[in-house]
Amino acid sequence: AQKVTQTQTSISVMEKTTVTMDCVYETQDSSYFLFWYKQTASGEIVFLIRQDSYKKENATVGHYSLNFQKPKSSIGLIITATQIEDSAVYFCAIMNNYAQGLTFGLGTRVSVFP
Amino acid sequence: EAAVTQSPRSKVAVTGGKVTLSCHQTNNHDYMYWYRQDTGHGLRLIHYSYVADSTEKGDIPDGYKASRPSQENFSLILELASLSQTAVYFCASSSQGYAEQFFGPGTRLTVL
Repeated sequence: AQKVTQTQTSISVMEKTTVTMDCVYETQDSSYFLFWYKQTASGEIVFLIRQDSYKKENATVGHYSLNFQKPKSSIGLIITATQIEDSAVYFCAIMNNYAQGLTFGLGTRVSVFP
Repeated sequence: EAAVTQSPRSKVAVTGGKVTLSCHQTNNHDYMYWYRQDTGHGLRLIHYSYVADSTEKGDIPDGYKASRPSQENFSLILELASLSQTAVYFCASSSQGYAEQFFGPGTRLTVL
Protein backbone atom coordinates (compact mmCIF):
# COMPACT_ATOMS: atom_id res chain seq x y z
CA ALA A 1 0.00 0.00 0.00
CA GLN A 2 1.12 3.51 -0.74
CA LYS A 3 1.22 6.37 1.73
CA VAL A 4 1.85 10.10 1.46
CA THR A 5 2.75 12.28 4.43
CA GLN A 6 2.69 16.06 4.50
CA THR A 7 3.89 17.12 7.92
CA GLN A 8 3.31 20.86 7.57
CA THR A 9 -0.31 21.66 8.31
CA SER A 10 -0.05 25.34 7.45
CA ILE A 11 2.51 27.90 6.29
CA SER A 12 2.28 31.68 6.20
CA VAL A 13 4.51 33.71 3.90
CA MET A 14 4.85 37.26 2.69
CA GLU A 15 4.02 38.03 -0.91
CA LYS A 16 6.88 37.79 -3.43
CA THR A 17 8.89 35.41 -1.25
CA THR A 18 9.58 31.69 -1.70
CA VAL A 19 7.67 28.93 0.06
CA THR A 20 8.75 25.30 0.33
CA MET A 21 6.45 22.42 1.23
CA ASP A 22 7.54 18.94 2.26
CA CYS A 23 6.12 15.60 1.16
CA VAL A 24 7.35 12.12 2.00
CA TYR A 25 5.91 9.02 0.35
CA GLU A 26 5.97 5.26 0.77
CA THR A 27 5.62 2.78 -2.07
CA GLN A 28 6.62 -0.76 -2.90
CA ASP A 29 6.89 -0.01 -6.59
CA SER A 30 10.14 0.69 -8.38
CA SER A 31 8.39 2.97 -10.84
CA TYR A 32 5.79 5.55 -9.80
CA PHE A 33 4.49 9.03 -10.47
CA LEU A 34 4.28 12.00 -8.11
CA PHE A 35 1.88 14.90 -8.43
CA TRP A 36 1.10 18.19 -6.74
CA TYR A 37 -2.39 19.67 -6.78
CA LYS A 38 -3.79 22.91 -5.46
CA GLN A 39 -7.24 23.34 -3.92
CA THR A 40 -8.52 26.90 -3.89
CA ALA A 41 -10.87 28.46 -1.41
CA SER A 42 -13.77 27.75 -3.75
CA GLY A 43 -12.95 24.04 -3.61
CA GLU A 44 -11.55 23.76 -7.10
CA ILE A 45 -8.73 21.21 -7.45
CA VAL A 46 -6.09 22.07 -10.02
CA PHE A 47 -3.11 20.06 -11.25
CA LEU A 48 0.22 21.89 -10.84
CA ILE A 49 3.22 19.69 -11.60
CA ARG A 50 4.39 16.09 -11.78
CA GLN A 51 7.58 14.08 -11.35
CA ASP A 52 8.14 10.65 -12.86
CA SER A 53 10.29 8.50 -10.59
CA TYR A 54 12.67 7.44 -13.36
CA LYS A 55 13.57 11.04 -14.20
CA LYS A 56 16.51 12.50 -12.33
CA GLU A 57 15.84 16.10 -13.28
CA ASN A 58 13.54 18.10 -11.05
CA ALA A 59 10.37 19.21 -12.82
CA THR A 60 9.65 22.92 -13.22
CA VAL A 61 6.47 24.62 -14.46
CA GLY A 62 6.20 28.40 -14.27
CA HIS A 63 6.94 29.46 -10.70
CA TYR A 64 6.49 25.91 -9.39
CA SER A 65 9.44 23.55 -9.06
CA LEU A 66 10.11 20.26 -7.34
CA ASN A 67 12.91 19.01 -5.12
CA PHE A 68 12.92 15.28 -5.82
CA GLN A 69 15.14 13.25 -3.51
CA LYS A 70 14.46 9.66 -4.43
CA PRO A 71 16.74 8.03 -1.79
CA LYS A 72 14.77 9.90 0.87
CA SER A 73 11.37 9.23 -0.78
CA SER A 74 10.83 12.96 -0.73
CA ILE A 75 9.20 15.33 -3.21
CA GLY A 76 9.12 18.93 -2.03
CA LEU A 77 7.20 21.72 -3.82
CA ILE A 78 8.81 25.12 -4.16
CA ILE A 79 6.83 28.21 -5.14
CA THR A 80 8.91 31.25 -5.99
CA ALA A 81 7.72 34.86 -6.12
CA THR A 82 4.50 33.99 -4.35
CA GLN A 83 1.33 35.92 -5.07
CA ILE A 84 -1.81 36.42 -3.01
CA GLU A 85 -3.65 34.02 -5.31
CA ASP A 86 -1.22 31.25 -4.35
CA SER A 87 -3.10 31.05 -1.06
CA ALA A 88 -4.62 27.56 -1.13
CA VAL A 89 -4.24 24.01 0.17
CA TYR A 90 -1.54 22.04 -1.62
CA PHE A 91 -1.78 18.27 -1.94
CA CYS A 92 0.96 15.83 -2.75
CA ALA A 93 -0.11 12.56 -4.41
CA ILE A 94 1.41 9.36 -5.73
CA MET A 95 0.30 6.94 -8.41
CA ASN A 96 1.74 3.47 -8.71
CA ASN A 97 2.94 1.74 -11.84
CA TYR A 98 -0.45 0.13 -12.40
CA ALA A 99 -2.36 3.41 -12.88
CA GLN A 100 -4.80 2.62 -10.08
CA GLY A 101 -5.64 6.16 -9.09
CA LEU A 102 -3.98 8.63 -6.75
CA THR A 103 -3.10 8.38 -3.08
CA PHE A 104 -3.13 11.85 -1.52
CA GLY A 105 -1.51 13.42 1.50
CA LEU A 106 -3.59 15.51 3.90
CA GLY A 107 -2.44 18.78 2.42
CA THR A 108 -0.59 21.93 3.49
CA ARG A 109 -2.48 25.21 3.76
CA VAL A 110 -0.48 28.14 2.43
CA SER A 111 -1.46 31.70 3.28
CA VAL A 112 0.23 34.50 1.37
CA PHE A 113 0.09 37.95 2.98
CA PRO A 114 0.75 41.33 1.35
CA GLU B 1 -9.03 22.93 -21.31
CA ALA B 2 -10.39 19.84 -19.62
CA ALA B 3 -14.05 19.99 -18.72
CA VAL B 4 -15.50 17.76 -16.03
CA THR B 5 -18.94 18.52 -14.68
CA GLN B 6 -20.79 16.99 -11.75
CA SER B 7 -24.42 16.91 -10.78
CA PRO B 8 -25.94 17.69 -8.45
CA ARG B 9 -23.55 20.18 -6.87
CA SER B 10 -25.18 19.71 -3.52
CA LYS B 11 -27.55 17.14 -2.11
CA VAL B 12 -29.24 16.27 1.16
CA ALA B 13 -30.22 12.62 1.51
CA VAL B 14 -31.89 10.57 4.20
CA THR B 15 -30.26 7.61 5.89
CA GLY B 16 -31.10 4.41 4.02
CA GLY B 17 -32.05 6.19 0.82
CA LYS B 18 -30.46 5.74 -2.58
CA VAL B 19 -28.19 8.45 -3.94
CA THR B 20 -26.72 8.76 -7.42
CA LEU B 21 -23.96 11.23 -8.19
CA SER B 22 -23.21 11.91 -11.84
CA CYS B 23 -20.07 12.96 -13.66
CA HIS B 24 -19.69 14.00 -17.28
CA GLN B 25 -16.50 14.81 -19.17
CA THR B 26 -16.08 16.23 -22.65
CA ASN B 27 -12.37 15.55 -23.04
CA ASN B 28 -12.49 12.17 -24.71
CA HIS B 29 -10.58 10.76 -21.72
CA ASP B 30 -10.55 7.03 -21.10
CA TYR B 31 -9.87 7.17 -17.36
CA MET B 32 -12.37 8.43 -14.79
CA TYR B 33 -12.23 8.44 -11.00
CA TRP B 34 -14.36 9.07 -7.93
CA TYR B 35 -12.80 10.46 -4.75
CA ARG B 36 -14.28 11.60 -1.47
CA GLN B 37 -12.88 14.37 0.67
CA ASP B 38 -13.33 14.50 4.42
CA THR B 39 -11.71 16.72 6.98
CA GLY B 40 -8.80 14.82 8.43
CA HIS B 41 -8.68 12.22 5.66
CA GLY B 42 -7.89 14.23 2.59
CA LEU B 43 -8.94 12.77 -0.76
CA ARG B 44 -9.49 9.03 -1.03
CA LEU B 45 -10.16 6.92 -4.11
CA ILE B 46 -13.52 5.10 -4.20
CA HIS B 47 -13.82 3.66 -7.71
CA TYR B 48 -12.22 4.20 -11.07
CA SER B 49 -12.70 3.12 -14.68
CA TYR B 50 -10.46 2.95 -17.71
CA VAL B 51 -13.06 1.87 -20.26
CA ALA B 52 -16.81 2.08 -20.73
CA ASP B 53 -18.87 -0.69 -19.13
CA SER B 54 -16.09 -1.56 -16.70
CA THR B 55 -15.28 -0.26 -13.21
CA GLU B 56 -12.59 -1.03 -10.64
CA LYS B 57 -12.54 -0.76 -6.87
CA GLY B 58 -10.35 1.87 -5.31
CA ASP B 59 -9.13 2.15 -1.75
CA ILE B 60 -12.50 2.64 -0.02
CA PRO B 61 -15.22 1.00 -2.18
CA ASP B 62 -17.44 -0.36 0.61
CA GLY B 63 -20.93 1.10 0.47
CA TYR B 64 -20.48 2.44 -3.06
CA LYS B 65 -21.14 1.18 -6.56
CA ALA B 66 -19.98 2.76 -9.80
CA SER B 67 -21.31 2.72 -13.33
CA ARG B 68 -19.62 3.73 -16.57
CA PRO B 69 -22.26 3.48 -19.31
CA SER B 70 -20.22 5.50 -21.81
CA GLN B 71 -16.81 7.07 -22.14
CA GLU B 72 -18.23 10.45 -21.10
CA ASN B 73 -20.28 9.43 -18.08
CA PHE B 74 -19.36 7.93 -14.74
CA SER B 75 -21.81 7.60 -11.84
CA LEU B 76 -21.36 6.86 -8.17
CA ILE B 77 -24.23 5.07 -6.46
CA LEU B 78 -24.96 4.86 -2.77
CA GLU B 79 -27.63 2.14 -2.46
CA LEU B 80 -28.20 2.69 1.27
CA ALA B 81 -26.83 6.06 2.29
CA SER B 82 -25.36 6.31 5.77
CA LEU B 83 -24.31 9.20 8.00
CA SER B 84 -20.66 8.29 7.49
CA GLN B 85 -20.99 8.99 3.77
CA THR B 86 -21.46 12.69 4.36
CA ALA B 87 -18.55 14.23 2.44
CA VAL B 88 -17.57 16.14 -0.67
CA TYR B 89 -17.28 13.89 -3.73
CA PHE B 90 -14.99 14.69 -6.63
CA CYS B 91 -14.93 13.16 -10.06
CA ALA B 92 -11.80 13.32 -12.21
CA SER B 93 -10.67 12.24 -15.65
CA SER B 94 -7.36 11.66 -17.38
CA SER B 95 -6.23 10.77 -20.87
CA GLN B 96 -3.94 7.97 -19.70
CA GLY B 97 -3.49 6.08 -16.48
CA TYR B 98 -0.31 7.96 -15.58
CA ALA B 99 -1.41 11.37 -16.76
CA GLU B 100 -2.53 14.28 -14.65
CA GLN B 101 -6.16 14.18 -13.60
CA PHE B 102 -8.67 16.95 -14.21
CA PHE B 103 -11.17 17.36 -11.42
CA GLY B 104 -14.79 18.36 -11.43
CA PRO B 105 -16.17 21.01 -9.06
CA GLY B 106 -17.32 18.49 -6.47
CA THR B 107 -20.67 17.46 -4.97
CA ARG B 108 -21.39 18.18 -1.35
CA LEU B 109 -23.46 15.31 0.05
CA THR B 110 -25.10 15.52 3.44
CA VAL B 111 -26.79 12.42 4.80
CA LEU B 112 -29.24 13.05 7.63
